[in-house]
Amino acid sequence: NAGVTQTPKFQVLKTGQSMTLQCAQDMNHNSMYWYRQDPGMGLRLIYYSASEGTTDKGEVPNGYNVSRLNKREFSLRLESAAPSQTSVYFCASSVRQMHFGPGTRLTVT
Amino acid sequence: EDQVTQSPEALRLQEGESSSLNCSYTVSGLRGLFWYRQDPGKGPEFLFTLYSAGEEKEKERLKATLTKKESFLHITAPKPEDSATYLCAVRQNYGGSQGNLIFGKGTKLSVKP
Repeated sequence: NAGVTQTPKFQVLKTGQSMTLQCAQDMNHNSMYWYRQDPGMGLRLIYYSASEGTTDKGEVPNGYNVSRLNKREFSLRLESAAPSQTSVYFCASSVRQMHFGPGTRLTVT
Repeated sequence: EDQVTQSPEALRLQEGESSSLNCSYTVSGLRGLFWYRQDPGKGPEFLFTLYSAGEEKEKERLKATLTKKESFLHITAPKPEDSATYLCAVRQNYGGSQGNLIFGKGTKLSVKP
Protein backbone atom coordinates (compact mmCIF):
# COMPACT_ATOMS: atom_id res chain seq x y z
CA ASN A 1 0.00 0.00 0.00
CA ALA A 2 1.95 3.01 -1.30
CA GLY A 3 -0.65 5.66 -0.34
CA VAL A 4 -0.26 8.77 -2.51
CA THR A 5 2.59 8.84 -5.03
CA GLN A 6 3.80 11.80 -7.10
CA THR A 7 6.16 12.12 -10.04
CA PRO A 8 8.55 13.73 -10.64
CA LYS A 9 10.14 14.63 -7.30
CA PHE A 10 12.10 17.55 -8.74
CA GLN A 11 11.76 19.55 -11.93
CA VAL A 12 13.37 22.63 -13.42
CA LEU A 13 11.56 24.41 -16.26
CA LYS A 14 12.23 27.47 -18.31
CA THR A 15 9.59 30.16 -18.60
CA GLY A 16 7.02 29.16 -21.20
CA GLN A 17 7.67 25.41 -21.04
CA SER A 18 4.88 23.01 -20.20
CA MET A 19 4.77 19.97 -17.98
CA THR A 20 2.39 17.59 -16.24
CA LEU A 21 2.66 16.54 -12.61
CA GLN A 22 1.39 13.05 -12.01
CA CYS A 23 -0.40 11.78 -8.91
CA ALA A 24 -1.86 8.39 -8.04
CA GLN A 25 -3.46 6.91 -4.92
CA ASP A 26 -4.20 3.31 -4.03
CA MET A 27 -6.61 3.89 -1.12
CA ASN A 28 -9.78 3.89 -3.24
CA HIS A 29 -10.54 7.50 -2.24
CA ASN A 30 -13.11 9.44 -4.19
CA SER A 31 -11.65 12.90 -3.56
CA MET A 32 -8.27 14.13 -4.74
CA TYR A 33 -6.56 17.53 -4.44
CA TRP A 34 -3.64 19.60 -5.66
CA TYR A 35 -2.05 22.11 -3.28
CA ARG A 36 0.94 24.38 -3.61
CA GLN A 37 3.13 25.37 -0.67
CA ASP A 38 5.16 28.55 -0.64
CA PRO A 39 7.25 30.05 2.17
CA GLY A 40 5.08 32.26 4.37
CA MET A 41 1.90 31.35 2.47
CA GLY A 42 1.05 27.91 3.73
CA LEU A 43 -0.76 25.28 1.69
CA ARG A 44 -3.16 26.70 -0.89
CA LEU A 45 -5.66 24.66 -2.87
CA ILE A 46 -5.24 24.78 -6.65
CA TYR A 47 -7.87 22.31 -7.86
CA TYR A 48 -9.82 19.45 -6.43
CA SER A 49 -11.84 16.51 -7.70
CA ALA A 50 -14.70 15.38 -5.48
CA SER A 51 -15.16 12.20 -7.50
CA GLU A 52 -14.13 10.56 -10.74
CA GLY A 53 -15.23 12.69 -13.65
CA THR A 54 -15.50 16.00 -11.74
CA THR A 55 -13.00 18.78 -11.11
CA ASP A 56 -13.37 22.21 -9.50
CA LYS A 57 -11.22 25.28 -8.95
CA GLY A 58 -9.69 25.99 -5.59
CA GLU A 59 -8.14 29.18 -4.24
CA VAL A 60 -5.33 29.63 -6.82
CA PRO A 61 -6.27 27.92 -10.12
CA ASN A 62 -4.88 30.44 -12.64
CA GLY A 63 -2.20 28.99 -14.90
CA TYR A 64 -3.11 25.37 -14.16
CA ASN A 65 -5.33 22.65 -15.60
CA VAL A 66 -6.20 19.27 -14.16
CA SER A 67 -7.40 15.90 -15.36
CA ARG A 68 -9.04 13.21 -13.26
CA LEU A 69 -8.00 10.31 -15.45
CA ASN A 70 -9.72 7.65 -13.36
CA LYS A 71 -10.41 7.05 -9.68
CA ARG A 72 -6.71 6.54 -8.93
CA GLU A 73 -5.04 9.30 -10.94
CA PHE A 74 -5.24 13.09 -10.86
CA SER A 75 -2.77 15.12 -12.92
CA LEU A 76 -1.85 18.81 -12.83
CA ARG A 77 -0.70 20.56 -16.00
CA LEU A 78 1.20 23.80 -16.42
CA GLU A 79 0.68 24.89 -20.04
CA SER A 80 3.13 27.82 -20.00
CA ALA A 81 5.21 27.90 -16.85
CA ALA A 82 5.98 31.20 -15.14
CA PRO A 83 8.50 32.01 -12.36
CA SER A 84 5.53 32.65 -10.03
CA GLN A 85 4.75 28.95 -10.30
CA THR A 86 8.01 28.02 -8.58
CA SER A 87 6.74 26.10 -5.58
CA VAL A 88 6.34 22.73 -3.92
CA TYR A 89 3.26 20.90 -5.18
CA PHE A 90 1.42 18.35 -3.10
CA CYS A 91 -1.24 15.93 -4.20
CA ALA A 92 -3.65 14.54 -1.62
CA SER A 93 -6.61 12.22 -1.39
CA SER A 94 -9.25 11.83 1.27
CA VAL A 95 -12.28 10.17 2.68
CA ARG A 96 -12.35 11.47 6.27
CA GLN A 97 -8.64 12.24 6.65
CA MET A 98 -6.53 13.86 3.96
CA HIS A 99 -3.40 11.92 2.96
CA PHE A 100 -0.59 13.73 1.21
CA GLY A 101 2.02 12.64 -1.26
CA PRO A 102 5.74 13.44 -0.91
CA GLY A 103 5.60 16.52 -3.13
CA THR A 104 7.13 17.80 -6.37
CA ARG A 105 9.66 20.63 -6.10
CA LEU A 106 9.32 22.80 -9.19
CA THR A 107 11.61 25.64 -10.17
CA VAL A 108 10.76 27.88 -13.12
CA THR A 109 13.63 30.04 -14.35
CA GLU B 1 -14.53 34.06 5.06
CA ASP B 2 -13.05 30.84 6.41
CA GLN B 3 -9.69 31.47 8.01
CA VAL B 4 -7.05 29.68 10.08
CA THR B 5 -4.33 31.52 12.03
CA GLN B 6 -1.50 29.76 13.82
CA SER B 7 0.81 31.17 16.47
CA PRO B 8 3.62 31.48 17.11
CA GLU B 9 5.25 31.24 13.67
CA ALA B 10 8.31 29.64 15.26
CA LEU B 11 9.00 28.15 18.68
CA ARG B 12 12.32 27.06 20.11
CA LEU B 13 12.27 24.80 23.16
CA GLN B 14 14.80 22.98 25.22
CA GLU B 15 14.33 19.24 25.49
CA GLY B 16 11.81 18.58 28.26
CA GLU B 17 10.36 22.12 28.17
CA SER B 18 6.59 21.76 27.67
CA SER B 19 4.62 24.31 25.64
CA SER B 20 1.55 24.83 23.46
CA LEU B 21 0.86 25.81 19.86
CA ASN B 22 -2.27 27.78 19.03
CA CYS B 23 -4.66 27.56 16.11
CA SER B 24 -7.54 30.03 15.93
CA TYR B 25 -10.17 29.61 13.27
CA THR B 26 -13.28 31.08 11.72
CA VAL B 27 -15.41 28.78 9.62
CA SER B 28 -19.08 28.60 8.79
CA GLY B 29 -19.98 25.39 10.60
CA LEU B 30 -16.99 23.43 11.86
CA ARG B 31 -16.83 20.01 10.25
CA GLY B 32 -13.50 18.99 11.67
CA LEU B 33 -10.21 20.53 12.79
CA PHE B 34 -7.06 18.73 11.75
CA TRP B 35 -3.47 18.75 12.96
CA TYR B 36 -0.62 17.65 10.71
CA ARG B 37 3.12 17.32 11.19
CA GLN B 38 5.46 18.20 8.32
CA ASP B 39 9.15 17.32 8.25
CA PRO B 40 11.49 19.20 5.89
CA GLY B 41 11.22 17.96 2.32
CA LYS B 42 8.21 15.76 3.03
CA GLY B 43 4.45 15.91 2.75
CA PRO B 44 2.22 16.64 5.76
CA GLU B 45 1.51 13.66 8.01
CA PHE B 46 -1.87 13.36 9.73
CA LEU B 47 -1.91 13.60 13.53
CA PHE B 48 -5.42 14.32 14.86
CA THR B 49 -8.97 15.23 13.96
CA LEU B 50 -11.23 17.05 16.43
CA TYR B 51 -14.92 17.60 15.78
CA SER B 52 -16.52 19.31 18.77
CA ALA B 53 -15.64 21.77 21.53
CA GLY B 54 -14.23 20.01 24.57
CA GLU B 55 -12.84 17.12 22.59
CA GLU B 56 -9.25 16.04 23.30
CA LYS B 57 -6.94 13.56 21.60
CA GLU B 58 -3.49 12.32 22.59
CA LYS B 59 -0.59 10.65 20.86
CA GLU B 60 2.67 10.11 22.72
CA ARG B 61 3.84 13.58 23.88
CA LEU B 62 1.16 15.44 21.91
CA LYS B 63 -2.33 16.38 23.05
CA ALA B 64 -4.78 18.35 20.94
CA THR B 65 -7.74 20.23 22.41
CA LEU B 66 -10.60 22.16 20.84
CA THR B 67 -12.79 25.10 21.85
CA LYS B 68 -15.38 26.94 19.77
CA LYS B 69 -12.78 29.39 18.47
CA GLU B 70 -9.39 27.72 18.75
CA SER B 71 -7.37 24.58 19.15
CA PHE B 72 -4.20 23.94 21.08
CA LEU B 73 -1.50 21.39 20.46
CA HIS B 74 0.18 20.73 23.78
CA ILE B 75 3.66 19.22 23.70
CA THR B 76 4.76 17.63 26.96
CA ALA B 77 8.46 17.06 27.64
CA PRO B 78 9.41 17.38 23.96
CA LYS B 79 12.35 15.58 22.42
CA PRO B 80 14.54 16.70 19.48
CA GLU B 81 12.65 14.29 17.21
CA ASP B 82 9.51 16.37 17.77
CA SER B 83 11.13 19.16 15.74
CA ALA B 84 8.94 19.81 12.69
CA THR B 85 6.39 22.23 11.32
CA TYR B 86 2.91 21.67 12.75
CA LEU B 87 -0.02 22.56 10.52
CA CYS B 88 -3.61 23.20 11.53
CA ALA B 89 -6.53 22.98 9.10
CA VAL B 90 -10.32 23.20 9.18
CA ARG B 91 -12.74 21.46 6.88
CA GLN B 92 -14.95 23.74 4.82
CA ASN B 93 -18.55 22.88 4.14
CA TYR B 94 -18.05 22.52 0.39
CA GLY B 95 -15.77 20.74 -2.02
CA GLY B 96 -14.27 17.27 -2.00
CA SER B 97 -15.95 14.43 -0.20
CA GLN B 98 -17.04 16.01 3.07
CA GLY B 99 -15.27 19.27 2.25
CA ASN B 100 -11.94 20.89 1.40
CA LEU B 101 -9.32 21.69 4.03
CA ILE B 102 -8.07 25.24 4.55
CA PHE B 103 -4.67 25.41 6.24
CA GLY B 104 -2.88 27.80 8.55
CA LYS B 105 0.69 28.82 7.79
CA GLY B 106 2.11 26.51 10.43
CA THR B 107 4.31 26.70 13.53
CA LYS B 108 7.92 25.64 13.11
CA LEU B 109 9.02 23.87 16.29
CA SER B 110 12.68 23.34 17.14
CA VAL B 111 13.63 21.27 20.17
CA LYS B 112 17.25 21.50 21.28
CA PRO B 113 18.93 18.77 23.31
